[in-house]
Amino acid sequence: SQQGEEDPQALSIQEGENATMNCSYKTSINNLQWYRQNSGRGLVHLILIRSNEREKHSGRLRVTLDTSKKSSSLLITASRAADTASYFCATPYYGGSQGNLIFGKGTKLSVKP
Amino acid sequence: NAGVTQTPKFQVLKTGQSMTLQCAQDMNHEYMSWYRQDPGMGLRLIHYSVGAGITDQGEVPNGYNVSRSTTEDFPLRLLSAAPSQTSVYFCASSYMGVEQFFGPGTRLTVL
Repeated sequence: SQQGEEDPQALSIQEGENATMNCSYKTSINNLQWYRQNSGRGLVHLILIRSNEREKHSGRLRVTLDTSKKSSSLLITASRAADTASYFCATPYYGGSQGNLIFGKGTKLSVKP
Repeated sequence: NAGVTQTPKFQVLKTGQSMTLQCAQDMNHEYMSWYRQDPGMGLRLIHYSVGAGITDQGEVPNGYNVSRSTTEDFPLRLLSAAPSQTSVYFCASSYMGVEQFFGPGTRLTVL
């Protein structure tokens, strides 16, 4: 079963605008990760936030984590056409080893020039 | 460094055929995983390994076998292909399970 669920499923914005994507998850976690997938390619790790962190920045990315609400958000500021991709949140898979991830269904972001 | 490599990139099989999807990494990662990605379903974990000789099942293991004889290689075997296995398959590796590095994927069609 999916652990994380992203919202919205699709988002279309103009270049220069900010894009916000949300992720909700079901069980307690010790970290949450965000990945990007360009069309037809493998996923690329963007950022990891630990359960004792509330906010983390990396370049134009800002991630927040609210463990009480079991939710996270990814903000991309001043978006560019090159940010067009699908974005996934991922949480640890505790069915077995902690070394693997459960992914949400993703948010498809389209940034128009 | 090549990172994570997968072969083949594309494959068409007939129902009942078997095949092996290859995955290799050159980062000396202990953790390796196989995922499948279907439209609207995100990625689902098939099998994973935490080191040579150690493998375990993920969310959707039925119809697939894996083995891990070396740190570098983690092949995925389809025993008897079915149309429901039509998907894009991704292999990933990581150090201690954090920040997974993904291969480019294998697009499989089963007729």
